[in-house]
Amino acid sequence: GAGVSQSPSNKVTEKGKDVELRCDPISGHTALYWYRQRLGQGLEFLIYFQGNSAPDKSGLPSDRFSAERTGESVSTLTIQRTQQEDSAVYLCASSLAGGRTGGYTFGSGTRLTVV
Amino acid sequence: GDSVTQMEGPVTLSEEAFLTINCTYTATGYPSLFWYVQYPGEGLQLLLKATKADDKGSNKGFEATYRKETTSFHLEKGSVQVSDSAVYFCALSEAGGYNKLIFGAGTRLAVHP
Repeated sequence: GAGVSQSPSNKVTEKGKDVELRCDPISGHTALYWYRQRLGQGLEFLIYFQGNSAPDKSGLPSDRFSAERTGESVSTLTIQRTQQEDSAVYLCASSLAGGRTGGYTFGSGTRLTVV
Repeated sequence: GDSVTQMEGPVTLSEEAFLTINCTYTATGYPSLFWYVQYPGEGLQLLLKATKADDKGSNKGFEATYRKETTSFHLEKGSVQVSDSAVYFCALSEAGGYNKLIFGAGTRLAVHP
């Protein structure tokens, strides 16, 4: 597609429920990143995909968080047993083979609110 | 590990004022440096970048120079407009590794007429 698409744009969930967030990167972009942005704060790195593999998962905050990518395209970020501290905007970005010189293209994010 | 520190906001300016937002970094090797902008209600957009020492990135009247000796990448604009009101993020892309971006905390800029 023309840009990075994320869905849903907004999600309100009850504490303890599981949620799935989806990212459709730009076609042909092999690198895909997930970030989290808490209110009033900067972006925290969560996980990096190169193709379908995730060589860097160092930012996932706990084992309640997991992500996968299939077909070198769509990625889903799953949060199990959500907690109130998981409330944030979750951003996805993609780039051609890592964005060292070109930067990344970000999606508009999914705003997750855990009540 | 690598990190980015940028000046705290909010920064409030009158239209046509001069803008500086300070950014310093800590990194091993030679990272690439970026400024991203987040306008109200929108996603992050790349504003400018510099990939090596002494490079100057520029876009939309904004400039930043990669200063290796001071490990800085300060954002400047000579005359701000109301439409520049946004949150500005300084970021680095690690040298080697997986090129993940490491962001500063962001600086909110409010420009008044």
